[in-house]
Amino acid sequence: KAGVTQTPRYLIKTRGQQVTLSCSPISGHRSVSWYQQTPGQGLQFLFEYFSETQRNKGNFPGRFSGRQFSNSRSEMNVSTLELGDSALYLCASSLGGQEIYNTGELFFGEGSRLTVL
Amino acid sequence: SQKIEQNSEALNIQEGKTATLTCNYTNYSPAYLQWYRQDPGRGPVFLLLIRENEKEKRKERLKVTFDTTLKQSLFHITASQPADSATYLCALLSWYGGSQGNLIFGKGTKLSVKP
Repeated sequence: KAGVTQTPRYLIKTRGQQVTLSCSPISGHRSVSWYQQTPGQGLQFLFEYFSETQRNKGNFPGRFSGRQFSNSRSEMNVSTLELGDSALYLCASSLGGQEIYNTGELFFGEGSRLTVL
Repeated sequence: SQKIEQNSEALNIQEGKTATLTCNYTNYSPAYLQWYRQDPGRGPVFLLLIRENEKEKRKERLKVTFDTTLKQSLFHITASQPADSATYLCALLSWYGGSQGNLIFGKGTKLSVKP
């Protein structure tokens, strides 16, 4: 079956702009998590959506937001971009619900690499 | 504060040897711990999961141990091959007041296996 699809794969923005990233999870997966990956900080949790509701949120400013649609596809938005937002943004899907306690396996996409100039 | 530390940023070993990677955590009550592999420019790929009440898990050449007293997990790759060269990440899911938390990752250890 198809894996997690993230678009766009690469993008370049300038400070002050905003960006929207998209994630299509594996069919049947209801949970979508977003992570920011940088060389210095590693993988940092942004938020997790399950059945269109934000279930968990990391320690990121309000400029970072997300949503999930009824088909489980998710988007994240970063407004007023800063140089420090340059990173690889990874989306991961999982079954969610009680199944996560059985395997907890996250299926990651290839990421969207954002460069802020 | 809560921390997950993977002791080595990089580990270089010779082909055929056993690679041992370490993951330590503080101020967590983990429900379980996972290990992922990440290749350059790719998303992480799940390898193994071990629950808080399990001591050891094996999968082919991979072995994971989990010591909740030491707050440590060890990840072993036996008979290592150059194709095992990658960054390995440990991740914890802990409980927040009885409800599900989120998966927190260590910064990873970059393993290089030389032929």
